[in-house]
Amino acid sequence: NAGVTQTPKFRILKIGQSMTLQCTQDMNHNYMYWYRQDPGMGLKLIYYSVGAGITDKGEVPNGYNVSRSTTEDFPLRLELAAPSQTSVYFCASSSGLASNEQFFGPGTRLTVL
Amino acid sequence: AQSVTQLDSHVSVSEGTPVLLRCNYSSSYSPSLFWYVQHPNKGLQLLLKYTSAATLVKGINGFEAEFKKSETSFHLTKPSAHMSDAAEYFCVVRGANNLFFGTGTRLTVIP
Repeated sequence: NAGVTQTPKFRILKIGQSMTLQCTQDMNHNYMYWYRQDPGMGLKLIYYSVGAGITDKGEVPNGYNVSRSTTEDFPLRLELAAPSQTSVYFCASSSGLASNEQFFGPGTRLTVL
Repeated sequence: AQSVTQLDSHVSVSEGTPVLLRCNYSSSYSPSLFWYVQHPNKGLQLLLKYTSAATLVKGINGFEAEFKKSETSFHLTKPSAHMSDAAEYFCVVRGANNLFFGTGTRLTVIP
């Protein structure tokens, strides 16, 4: 039981490049989330999903896209990378509503130059 | 609207002394509150949660927190700090579909 896994761990992008951050969970959780964490700040929700085929915007969705074709996977897509997207990205999952514990992956550190 | 304010960005304690990390919350309804811990270069781990049951909540690793409605506070405490407690701690309040995080308190433990 690996929990929530994220790839890659680190990535450097040039401005305007695109990439996909991968997230997979093996706990059969319906709810999945993407957060970003900027230095000295708490986590901000980018997108979330309440089940396969259903996604919705969080607090800071601009510049990102997501899809949820399976229960296990919740990839985050950056289409035109900008320096403002330099951050640490965390994927999380939970079994139900947000009052349940969220399980976090180890994070992806992204730098856009 | 839901939000949390962590009153200290950095707390430093000596090993074996008590820990107090302060959090005030704002919520338009009865809140669900959490404390998460983040060790360096790791993901977040749930320490404890309050969901309108007992006001004193016990968590992992000897941490506990007390929900005080009159003070809108949810402070995290531990009687005796250990070196392994050095980490970033986040106070969190539940929103309709997601969690709202405080800006974090970095705990340093001095040997």
